[in-house]
Amino acid sequence: DAKTTQPPSMDCAEGRAANLPCNHSTISGNEYVYWYRQIHSQGPQYIIHGLKNNETNEMASLIITEDRKSSTLILPHATLRDTAVYYCIVRGRNTDKLIFGTGTRLQVFP
Amino acid sequence: SAVISQKPSRDICQRGTSLTIQCQVDSQVTMMFWYRQQPGQSLTLIATANQGSEATYESGFVIDKFPISRPNLTFSTLTVSNMSPEDSSIYLCSVERSPAAEVFGYTFGSGTRLTVV
Repeated sequence: DAKTTQPPSMDCAEGRAANLPCNHSTISGNEYVYWYRQIHSQGPQYIIHGLKNNETNEMASLIITEDRKSSTLILPHATLRDTAVYYCIVRGRNTDKLIFGTGTRLQVFP
Repeated sequence: SAVISQKPSRDICQRGTSLTIQCQVDSQVTMMFWYRQQPGQSLTLIATANQGSEATYESGFVIDKFPISRPNLTFSTLTVSNMSPEDSSIYLCSVERSPAAEVFGYTFGSGTRLTVV
């Protein structure tokens, strides 16, 4: 599986956009980019995924660069409840497993 | 998407004993996954459990230590055997969010917080 690199921690003011970067320079053509988050003491929660195009859902937006070597998860209006560890995962279409990296610990402050 | 019930939610166990963790899903799923999350760490995949076949273990995990059962398409158990304090972790099960899991990813249970004393 392709590896991902994320900053270990980030801060964001409540109400502002949180932009979480992820590098996946060895991604191959059929691999998707997934984002999950884990709020303290809970199981990971699916946020969004994408292949090539930018994606948006009710939780977040995913911006994937044209060369697909990096992506950014955007939480448009962060709230205190968005404080969590965010994981960027690259997974092939025919690969069943999700392999977690170290993630980014996002702290949203008032 | 699938809803997972995982039991127990937490337990404190004596070293040398075993604990069996149950994962019940509200719909039939092909694959179930078991993860371990050690204190302050990320999730590590233990094994993949398919109904009707033996579980496939990741490097560093063995069946004698973590036997897994998968008797049907909605249920699985993970046993942590002969426990030591190093086994103190959160154990989580995970299943497909929908039949199109290859695209839509996975749902996770709320985890079992195990403390070995």
